[in-house]
Amino acid sequence: AQSVAQPEDQVNVAEGNPLTVKCTYSVSGNPYLFWYVQYPNRGLQFLLKYITGDNLVKGSYGFEAEFNKSQTSFHLKKPSALVSDSALYFCAVRVVSGGYQKVTFGTGTKLQVIP
Amino acid sequence: GAVVSQHPSRVICKSGTSVKIECRSLDFQATTMFWYRQFPKQSLMLMATSNEGSKATYEQGVEKDKFLINHASLTLSTLTVTSAHPEDSSFYICSATSGVNEQFFGPGTRLTVL
Repeated sequence: AQSVAQPEDQVNVAEGNPLTVKCTYSVSGNPYLFWYVQYPNRGLQFLLKYITGDNLVKGSYGFEAEFNKSQTSFHLKKPSALVSDSALYFCAVRVVSGGYQKVTFGTGTKLQVIP
Repeated sequence: GAVVSQHPSRVICKSGTSVKIECRSLDFQATTMFWYRQFPKQSLMLMATSNEGSKATYEQGVEKDKFLINHASLTLSTLTVTSAHPEDSSFYICSATSGVNEQFFGPGTRLTVL
């Protein structure tokens, strides 16, 4: 069975400081990894994905994430946090096997950027 | 990004009635659609995965006879909550994707069963 762990319910960071939102996963097979963001009272939006290739992927709003196969991690990072980055962040893993695909989301991490 | 709509955005119904929620991909053909419930403490629970033209695959613990999913076309999937009860009150979210690309999410439907 596949699983995704976001060990922190909430991350607080001062504006201008770097931020990291952690994600680890467990799958059999090759994972496709995603980060989504949910702003207050808005639907989930895609941020970035890792399918194959470069381990460091860049996404929307200056976010990036690094795929680390040995540590089975896909942490989300941003060099300098903005107050507008405050939102709920979800990590997701997707595995395709025999024409069937399985998607699993983490429980979400609330990011609070303090002015 | 692509646009996914959900209708209605909010519905209140009496216990024992059925409610249908529509999910549409407006500007792309969605080979796969997903249905989720989002609980108050933020977690997103996958209910089922549906591929166009075939039966939905339900997650463990989700009753397929209670949550009927139809994915009759590449742009429309429906979730019908049959004989709804207060414990079915929740925020239901659909998403659509093409291939193994990222999912595009609808804005969600708030269901309240009295």
